[in-house]
Amino acid sequence: DIQMTQSPSSVSASVGDRVTITCRASQGISSWLAWYQQKPGKAPKLLIYAASSLQSGVPSRFSGSGSGTDFTLTISSLQPEDFATYYCQQTNIFPRTFGQGTKVEIK
Amino acid sequence: EVQLVESGGGLVQPGWALSLSCAASGFTFSSYSMSWVRQAPGKGLEWVAEISGSGGSTDYADSVKGRFTISRDNSKNTLYLQMNSLRAEDTAVYYCATVVGGYFNYWGQGTLVTVSS
Repeated sequence: DIQMTQSPSSVSASVGDRVTITCRASQGISSWLAWYQQKPGKAPKLLIYAASSLQSGVPSRFSGSGSGTDFTLTISSLQPEDFATYYCQQTNIFPRTFGQGTKVEIK
Repeated sequence: EVQLVESGGGLVQPGWALSLSCAASGFTFSSYSMSWVRQAPGKGLEWVAEISGSGGSTDYADSVKGRFTISRDNSKNTLYLQMNSLRAEDTAVYYCATVVGGYFNYWGQGTLVTVSS
């Protein structure tokens, strides 16, 4: 199975800050990576697919980059509605696997 | 508008069975692979099972293989998950999701399954 490791596990940030979350795959996955946002009590929401493609309707302050084993999700200017938990997921092979999540908290 | 509505969750004893359903609308159901993804209380996301649009191909996480069965009825636009021999560690919110290119682009609201004596 491909292991996905996110860092940090949590980050405290203020509105307007730039936030970067990293995701590392245990083996190369080309650009087969997605990012999700999940708020408490809600279903996850797709933000980014194919490592850097923005899902329709997602604000442009969200961006993704990387390929192979190392990936990043960047929020260019954190907004109040962005405080949530973020997950990466490899979409390359079965079993589909997620990172453990990164919680973005208010500083 | 795409809608996915799960149902069938509840409290069951270890070893019992439970069947979940996911009613889909707003898209051509038979054209999409579908997955079940679960989330244990306070934990991260875990992919459970996936089925192709035609229903002819399925895949399972090792943790549920041999106990869970994913199926679909394209005439009813409904996805199912039959869960047998349930264990305490199967306690989770179960989400159904559409699959495109291996990622999950639409999700239901989830249904809670609690396995406890």
